[in-house]
Amino acid sequence: NAGVMQNPRHLVRRRGQEARLRCSPMKGHSHVYWYRQLPEEGLKFMVYLQKENIIDESGMPKERFSAEFPKEGPSILRIQQVVRGDSAAYFCASSPPRDRGSSYNEQFFGPGTRLTVL
Amino acid sequence: RKEVEQDPGPFNVPEGATVAFNCTYSNSASQSFFWYRQDCRKEPKLLMSVYSSGNEDGRFTAQLNRASQYISLLIRDSKLSDSATYLCVLASGSYQLTFGKGTKLSVIP
Repeated sequence: NAGVMQNPRHLVRRRGQEARLRCSPMKGHSHVYWYRQLPEEGLKFMVYLQKENIIDESGMPKERFSAEFPKEGPSILRIQQVVRGDSAAYFCASSPPRDRGSSYNEQFFGPGTRLTVL
Repeated sequence: RKEVEQDPGPFNVPEGATVAFNCTYSNSASQSFFWYRQDCRKEPKLLMSVYSSGNEDGRFTAQLNRASQYISLLIRDSKLSDSATYLCVLASGSYQLTFGKGTKLSVIP
């Protein structure tokens, strides 16, 4: 059973370009989360998606960032007009359908995409 | 006050030593608590959940003090392979995780 897959693992963009980060959840998982880790910082929640729905985007910057999880295919985190401050590791996590008896649904993390903006 | 505070370290300890990490949190509504491990330039991996009653997994013992909003991790008989950054993590609901910056541990031969 493959784990969470992310690609590319490394992405280099020049200022002003677009970055597209992809995440394929674990088999059987219908919930996807994106986190960002700036250098020397902890991971910060960005967005929580289920198929075709954004459940919580409270951690997303207001501009230039968007996320989707279509019916078919991977989840996409899109950053338009990248700036140097976007350089970070972007981690995707997935979890199975929620167990109603549990207060927390364990998330499994992918290897991350390291974005470098020149 | 930061949501999750950890001593960044680094903690440099010899093999076989016992080392303890602490973490404090500000959100009293936090419901679930965890220690994750993150190796250099890798993804975080769940090490163990933390309960008020305390829990132990081999050489690792975790403890939660809700009254003091304090979490601890004890590692006994340190191995070289324990070298990593240890992240204190909280969940306030069913999904949103709040991460500390982590404490770096280096176990020295």
